[in-house]
Amino acid sequence: QKEVEQNSGPLSVPEGAIASLNCTYSDRVSQSFFWYRQYSGKSPELIMSIYSNGDKEDGRFTAQLNKASQYVSLLIRDSQPSDSATYLCAVTNAGGTSYGKLTFGQGTILTVHP
Amino acid sequence: EADIYQTPRYLVIGTGKKITLECSQTMGHDKMYWYQQDPGMELHLIHYSYGVNSTEKGDLSSESTVSRIRTEHFPLTLESARPSHTSQYLCASKQGAYNEQFFGPGTRLTVL
Repeated sequence: QKEVEQNSGPLSVPEGAIASLNCTYSDRVSQSFFWYRQYSGKSPELIMSIYSNGDKEDGRFTAQLNKASQYVSLLIRDSQPSDSATYLCAVTNAGGTSYGKLTFGQGTILTVHP
Repeated sequence: EADIYQTPRYLVIGTGKKITLECSQTMGHDKMYWYQQDPGMELHLIHYSYGVNSTEKGDLSSESTVSRIRTEHFPLTLESARPSHTSQYLCASKQGAYNEQFFGPGTRLTVL
């Protein structure tokens, strides 16, 4: 089992719809969680960070964290064609030799069609 | 907004050449990272540093080497480039263990 797993894609939604991206992680003591957006050929861009259980909203983006279920999600409201990209879930390792390093999921490709 | 820079952005070079990919950040971050990513594939950590004079190998074995003589500078060197080194190389930095990590724009390396 991968340490960070994202829902398999690709995910296709119509313009204006809500896109829901999901991620589960195996390290129960992970402390911080991030969502990155990566356009083809570009570097990852941080779009959301979340540290405590519950929801965090930033514009059209909402991150949700449930540490008991080891689950983090990203909702994109009013999806736009410009949101079409690969979304990466990342989790900070809490201890051992991997202390402080990010573990990335495999990414979910999102396509928003007009 | 993060201030992390990579040069060159694109490099095409012949087999056997020595190359250095530059990475600099102006945020005073203590931790810096190098990732390798092929098109459409996952990110792989190849080197990291927790501070000056600290370097460690990452999860993916790499023939490259790194140094961290100054906080803001984390160059990656390939002594003898090969076609198998063709990839995108991404530098990143952050402060502390759990804070946000920012990526540079990347260097796309092609070895002929």
